Amino acid sequence: SAVISQKPSRDICQRGTSLTIQCQVDSQVTMMFWYRQQPGQSLTLIATANQGSEATYESGFVIDKFPISRPNLTFSTLTVSNMSPEDSSIYLCSVDSGYTFGSGTRLTVV
Amino acid sequence: GQQLNQSPQSMFIQEGEDVSMNCTSSSIFNTWLWYKQDPGEGPVLLIALYKAGELTSNGRLTAQFGITRKDSFLNISASIPSDVGIYFCAGRITQGGSEKLVFGKGTKLTVNP
Repeated sequence: SAVISQKPSRDICQRGTSLTIQCQVDSQVTMMFWYRQQPGQSLTLIATANQGSEATYESGFVIDKFPISRPNLTFSTLTVSNMSPEDSSIYLCSVDSGYTFGSGTRLTVV
Repeated sequence: GQQLNQSPQSMFIQEGEDVSMNCTSSSIFNTWLWYKQDPGEGPVLLIALYKAGELTSNGRLTAQFGITRKDSFLNISASIPSDVGIYFCAGRITQGGSEKLVFGKGTKLTVNP
């Protein structure tokens, strides 16, 4: 299975700023998935990113708030824009139809 | 939308005991997955189930895909301290031409030595 490197592993950010999270895969994958895990909660799919096309967002998530890039078959970024304390969560990328997850980015917004 | 009801929410057991947790839904899924998440890490896939009625083992772990395709259970036998963590079930559905996973809320397992 693929190996995912996700950065940063954690960050503390000021409200109103933006953070870009990177996800690097050691093999080419067609689809990459971005999830949010709020404190003590389960995982919720934010969007699916295919190389060469716009990401597909789930209900409740919009591109202006969570812009995604997918420049090639091994890399993707998720930006959390104009952050508020409610955005404090763990953000995870996933490949292999959900079989493999990165270690996550723990974001705290103050 | 689809929802998974995972129970119990938490369990406190003694080392050596067996554990059982389950997920149910009003929706039909074509795949059931079970994950374990350790603190500070992403979920790690334990078992994947693809057919209704399928029973699959992975070491001390056994999981089954319910006949109705609306439920699944995970059993852990002879628990050890490293089994501590949060266990998630997930069901895969095809929606709008693409596949997506729906996750349960997790079962937090504590094993007392």
